[in-house]
Amino acid sequence: GNSVTQMEGPVTLSEEAFLTINCTYTATGYPSLFWYVQYPGEGLQLLLKATKADDKGSNKGFEATYRKETTSFHLEKGSVQVSDSAVYFCALTRPQAAGNKLTFGGGTRVLVKP
Amino acid sequence: EPEVTQTPSHQVTQMGQEVILRCVPISNHLYFYWYRQILGQKVEFLVSFYNNEISEKSEIFDDQFSVERPDGSNFTLKIRSTKLEDSAMYFCASSEGGAGNQPQHFGDGTRLSIL
Repeated sequence: GNSVTQMEGPVTLSEEAFLTINCTYTATGYPSLFWYVQYPGEGLQLLLKATKADDKGSNKGFEATYRKETTSFHLEKGSVQVSDSAVYFCALTRPQAAGNKLTFGGGTRVLVKP
Repeated sequence: EPEVTQTPSHQVTQMGQEVILRCVPISNHLYFYWYRQILGQKVEFLVSFYNNEISEKSEIFDDQFSVERPDGSNFTLKIRSTKLEDSAMYFCASSEGGAGNQPQHFGDGTRLSIL
């Protein structure tokens, strides 16, 4: 079946540091890939997505590139802020299926210190 | 920006009691979902719903669970006889379309505590 594996946290960084969160997946065909973010006390918010190989999703300074050859979708941000402290979830949906469920990774907690 | 709203934010229920979790999806969305997250574990899919019927359900979604769209705006999850292991955060989501590239928009969740 489909699965998503994320690096375990917590990841603790200083403000303005570079952030990478690794995400790899197992799926047949070409799934769509997503990063969701959960700020303290809130629900899951879509951060970015990519729907085909070599697509780059970007939002709020975050980027992730859909790498079919390495089945990866690593999240990066060049200079983090304290407000980026949150839990980040990598997820996928299957291609060509309606009412498509999301399969999530375990989440990575990021803490940015001033 | 339109959002998915869930009520209540926290529900405390005695084991064996019925509980109904409520969601108002984004108004022009056609696909609705429930997920749950047990503390410290992954977010897990429970069920998807389209055109007034279940599209897909997971192994978790057994006979104790049911979903309903009782009117044009609400989408509910009912647990008939709650167990301790049902304690979790329950998230409702909706999407405009059902294809894999359609993003799902989530509510803030209902924390269900079974005593």
